[in-house]
Amino acid sequence: QSALTQPASVSGSPGQSITISCTGTSSDVGRDHLVSWYQQHPGKAPKVMIYEDTKRPSGVSNRFSGSKSGNTASLTISGLQAEDEGDYHCSSYAGSLTVIFGGGTKLTVL
Amino acid sequence: QLQLQESDPRLVKPSETLSLTCTVSSGSISSSGYYWGWIRQPPGKGLEWIGSIYYTGITYYNPSLSSRVTMAIDTSKNQFSLKLSSVTAADTAVYYCATQPAGPYWYFDVWGRGTLVTVSS
Repeated sequence: QSALTQPASVSGSPGQSITISCTGTSSDVGRDHLVSWYQQHPGKAPKVMIYEDTKRPSGVSNRFSGSKSGNTASLTISGLQAEDEGDYHCSSYAGSLTVIFGGGTKLTVL
Repeated sequence: QLQLQESDPRLVKPSETLSLTCTVSSGSISSSGYYWGWIRQPPGKGLEWIGSIYYTGITYYNPSLSSRVTMAIDTSKNQFSLKLSSVTAADTAVYYCATQPAGPYWYFDVWGRGTLVTVSS
C-alpha cells in the first residue's frame, strides 16, 4: 500500500487557476474509490475541501473543485487568493477497509 | 458541531508504548453516524492514516502499523484512545483525531487540533 503521488509544490498568481494532481493505482483511485482533498495551513489541522471526488462541504468556496480520470484525481482552485496558500493533501479509500493519503503539495500564491 | 480534543503533548522513550486519548464534545461517541479515526503527520511530511474505530468497537487499522496499534472506545467518558507499542523515532509526529462519516465515504470531516508526540530517550 503506497502513498498517492502529488507534486511537491505548485504556485500561481492571484486570480489565476491552478490544478494539483493526485495519482494512485488501479487498487485505489483508479478503482473508482472516493477521493477527498484537505487544506492545511501552518500549525493547523487539515480541513476537508472536497469529498466523494467532487462534493464541497458547506462553507467551502466554489472556487475549489474536484475531478477524477483513471488513476488520477485533481483539485482545481480558480481565482487564486492569498488565503489559499498552504499545503493540500489528497486521500482515497484503498480497499480492505483502509485509507491512504498523498505526500502533500505546497501551494504558493506569488 | 462535534469537537475533538487530543490529550496533551508528550515525550515517549524508544521501545515504550505511546498512549493518547481523544475527547468528544457537542456529540456522543455512541453515535452510529461516525467512525472515530487517528491520523498522524511526521514533521515536514504528509498525513498517514493510523486506524478507525466504530462505536461498537469494530476497528480498522493501517496494515503497516496494525501489529503495534490498539484503539478503544470509552463511552462513559465520551473518549476514544490510541496505543502504539514499541515506538521509535519514526513515530515522532503530530497525532490528530478526526471523525469519519459512517458508510462508504472514507473522508475525515471534523479534526482535533493535534498533539505532538516526540520519541526520544
